[in-house]
Amino acid sequence: DAGVIQSPRHEVTEMGQEVTLRCKPISGHDYLFWYRQTMMRGLELLIYFNNNVPIDDSGMPEDRFSAKMPNASFSTLKIQPSEPRDSAVYFCASSLSYRSPRNTIYFGEGSWLTVV
Amino acid sequence: AQKITQTQPGMFVQEKEAVTLDCTYDTSDQSYGLFWYKQPSSGEMIFLIYQGSYDEQNATEGRYSLNFQKARKSANLVISASQLGDSAMYFCAMRGHVQKLVFGTGTRLLVSP
Repeated sequence: DAGVIQSPRHEVTEMGQEVTLRCKPISGHDYLFWYRQTMMRGLELLIYFNNNVPIDDSGMPEDRFSAKMPNASFSTLKIQPSEPRDSAVYFCASSLSYRSPRNTIYFGEGSWLTVV
Repeated sequence: AQKITQTQPGMFVQEKEAVTLDCTYDTSDQSYGLFWYKQPSSGEMIFLIYQGSYDEQNATEGRYSLNFQKARKSANLVISASQLGDSAMYFCAMRGHVQKLVFGTGTRLLVSP
């Protein structure tokens, strides 16, 4: 089975530009998570969805960040305008409910974002 | 609130030796899951092993085992017969009724020949 698929793998952009990160979760999973990883802050949850509905977006840094999940097989994380401090690895992950016996959260390979 | 504590920033082990990576957790949930992930230098997050709070036996997956002590709220990862390819960051994490995965700060393991 295909795992979580993220694109792009690497992106270098100039400050002020819009960045869109994309994610395809594992088929059948009803939870989708966006995490950000930096050296300073470690792994932070930005937002997560259940059945395409955002449940907790308290980790989204500010209004420049937005996330959507228009259907069960696709999600985007958008940064507009981007700033150098947004440089990080952005992970998308998916899973079944924690109540499921098979509730492991699987991660994509990450999108490495550099804002210059 | 849920919290994961990994007190070992770095660990060293010789090839073929066993190593234990520590993890303690705090939660008020009665039902929860504990996970370990490996992050090699290439950056991907690789799932290693899972322990449910109601599982009576410690989880094992090949060379990985989880030493689960519920009363002490600890979930240590044991890697037996270390290999050079085990050098990586290791994250302990938990998931409870709030669904999201809460991570510790990680332990960097270096395996020497």
